[in-house]
Amino acid sequence: GNSVTQMEGPVTLSEEAFLTINCTYTATGYPSLFWYVQYPGEGLQLLLKATKADDKGSNKGFEATYRKETTSFHLEKGSVQVSDSAVYFCALISNTGGFKTIFGAGTRLFVKA
Amino acid sequence: NAGVTQTPKFQVLKTGQSMTLQCAQDMNHNSMYWYRQDPGMGLRLIYYSASEGTTDKGEVPNGYNVSRLNKREFSLRLESAAPSQTSVYFCASSDFVARHEQYFGPGTRLTVT
Repeated sequence: GNSVTQMEGPVTLSEEAFLTINCTYTATGYPSLFWYVQYPGEGLQLLLKATKADDKGSNKGFEATYRKETTSFHLEKGSVQVSDSAVYFCALISNTGGFKTIFGAGTRLFVKA
Repeated sequence: NAGVTQTPKFQVLKTGQSMTLQCAQDMNHNSMYWYRQDPGMGLRLIYYSASEGTTDKGEVPNGYNVSRLNKREFSLRLESAAPSQTSVYFCASSDFVARHEQYFGPGTRLTVT
């Protein structure tokens, strides 16, 4: 079945450091890929998405590129801020999965001032 | 717009008690979902409703029932709560099952003792 694997956290960085959170997926068909972010005490919010191979999603300085050849969708940001501290979830939705969204386990990011 | 609202925010139940979690959305979305979030396991789909009048099981439906009361409201019922149902519950909506982006409520933290 479809699945999403993302790097375990927590990830701890200093402000202005470069961020990468790895995400790989297994899916049949043509999945769409997402990154959601969850701030403390809140529900998930869509951060960015990509719907086909080689698409790059971007938002708030974050970006991720849909790589079909490596089945990956790694999240990157060039310079993190304390306010980026949150849990990040990689997710996919596929026509072969009954259009149910499959979430990764989440990666907690701590950014120190 | 309030988006997706959930009540209550917190609840403590004794084993065997029943309760209903309420969810409402004001975005005129067709599809609604119930997830549970447990540490290290990401989000798992309990039930979803692709459109008003339909409901389907997700990954972990046992011990739960749902009602799509109308287009706005989707409730989750625990008939006989068990400690294994201690979790944070999120409701979400999207305009069609295949539309991709989901909008989440703030969550209900449930403890079953």
